[in-house]
Amino acid sequence: EVQLVESGGGLVKPGGSLRLSCAASGFTFSSYSMNWVRQAPGKGLEWVSSISSSSSYIYYADSVKGRFTISRDNAKNSLYLQMNSLRAEDTAVYYCARDSIAAAGTTGAFDIWGQGTMVTVSS
Amino acid sequence: QSALTQPASVSGSPGQSITISCTGTSSDVGSYNLVSWYQQHPGKAPKLMIYEVSKRPSGVSNRFSGSKSGNTASLTISGLQAEDEADYYCCSYAGSSTFHVVFGGGTKLTVL
Repeated sequence: EVQLVESGGGLVKPGGSLRLSCAASGFTFSSYSMNWVRQAPGKGLEWVSSISSSSSYIYYADSVKGRFTISRDNAKNSLYLQMNSLRAEDTAVYYCARDSIAAAGTTGAFDIWGQGTMVTVSS
Repeated sequence: QSALTQPASVSGSPGQSITISCTGTSSDVGSYNLVSWYQQHPGKAPKLMIYEVSKRPSGVSNRFSGSKSGNTASLTISGLQAEDEADYYCCSYAGSSTFHVVFGGGTKLTVL
């Protein structure tokens, strides 16, 4: 079964750090670009970051640039998001998602999503 | 980073057809045939319904169709069913040097 499972969410104070993980199974993880997409409570979807299949191309939304770092380990079929200097506005469910079209870059055509992990930034 | 513009809500009766619009700019929707549409039920992850403007992933009903004209993309759902009630989001590639991927604000579809 093709699957993505996120973990690592939780409650963190403003200015703190958190590392999210996404475990992939059921497909050749190393062949696809991967993404993080978040959704604040009651709000819409926001693309956060993408990483190409070989980690050669990495992109970030302006809202997280300089604070978040995306990475992957193809040997472990895993995607990561290191989040530093967290703010209240980073509070959201974070989804990892597979790009169905691109191996390099991202197209927005995300065909596989995880169940999401909740990140709450609050004092 | 500007979101694509969608109506906040649309509604229709079972069996009817509805269309959800998604307006962007010449830098995103208007420049690339990389518009996707997602369906999201409460508490669930989004599901890809349309990609590359009008293509349907395997398993998605042919009641769902997509199109684009200029800077505006559209999702049409024909033969509305109760289970179609959900939030729908459009998404567009916006270029590798700018915003990369932008989403619409979402449209709540109510089946009356």
